[in-house]
Amino acid sequence: EAEVAQSPRYKITEKSQAVAFWCDPISGHATLYWYRQILGQGPELLVQFQDESVVDDSQLPKDRFSAERLKGVDSTLKIQPAELGDSAMYLCASSSGQITNEKLFFGSGTQLSVL
Amino acid sequence: AQRVTQPEKLLSVFKGAPVELKCNYSYSGSPELFWYVQYSRQRLQLLLRHISRESIKGFTADLNKGETSFHLKKPFAQEEDSAMYYCALSYSSASKIIFGSGTRLSIRP
Repeated sequence: EAEVAQSPRYKITEKSQAVAFWCDPISGHATLYWYRQILGQGPELLVQFQDESVVDDSQLPKDRFSAERLKGVDSTLKIQPAELGDSAMYLCASSSGQITNEKLFFGSGTQLSVL
Repeated sequence: AQRVTQPEKLLSVFKGAPVELKCNYSYSGSPELFWYVQYSRQRLQLLLRHISRESIKGFTADLNKGETSFHLKKPFAQEEDSAMYYCALSYSSASKIIFGSGTRLSIRP
C-alpha cells in the first residue's frame, strides 16, 4: 500500500538555526497538509495545499515558518530561526482531493527537538 | 469558531468492559466527523467516519447534532484497542480538518 513519506525522522537543532522537513504524498494526491503536534495535544493544522496552491495558512507563523509545494507533488516546510517552543512532531498528510471531507493518510512524522 | 473537544485525556477500562470515548464539536454548518487512531509505533490512521455509518473493529460512533457530539463506543474492550484516539472535524468545501486533543485508551487485562 502506498504511504506518505517524510524525512528526516528525527531532527535535533539549536535555537536560531534553520531546519527543513520534507514530505512526499501518496502519488496522485492533490491535497497536502502540514500539522504540528505538541506533546499531549492533538495535531494542529499549519498549512494546506491544493496542488501547488496554498488553501489555508492562517495558523502558520509566517515570521519564521514557510512552506512550499512548487510542482504540486512533494512539499518542504522550513523554520528559520528555530525557537525552543518549536519542539514538536511535524506531521504531513495527504488526500486525493477528489471529494470533499475525505480521509487523510498520514506520514510517520518528523520529531523536532530544539535545544 | 470551529472546535473539537475531547474531555478525557486518559480512559482506563478492563478487558471486556464497555468503552465510550467522548467527543463534542462546535460548528454551525453540517459537520463531517471522523475518529482517527494511533497505535503504538504506528501512524495516525482513520478508524471510522460518521458518513459511512460503519462499524470498524467493533467500534461505532453516532452523530448527535442536538448535543453536538460524536462519541466513540465499543461494547467489549479488547487489549489491542489500547491506543490514542483523536476526534476530527472536517468542514468547508476546501476540506479543512481540525483535531481534538486526543484520549489515551488503556485496556487493563
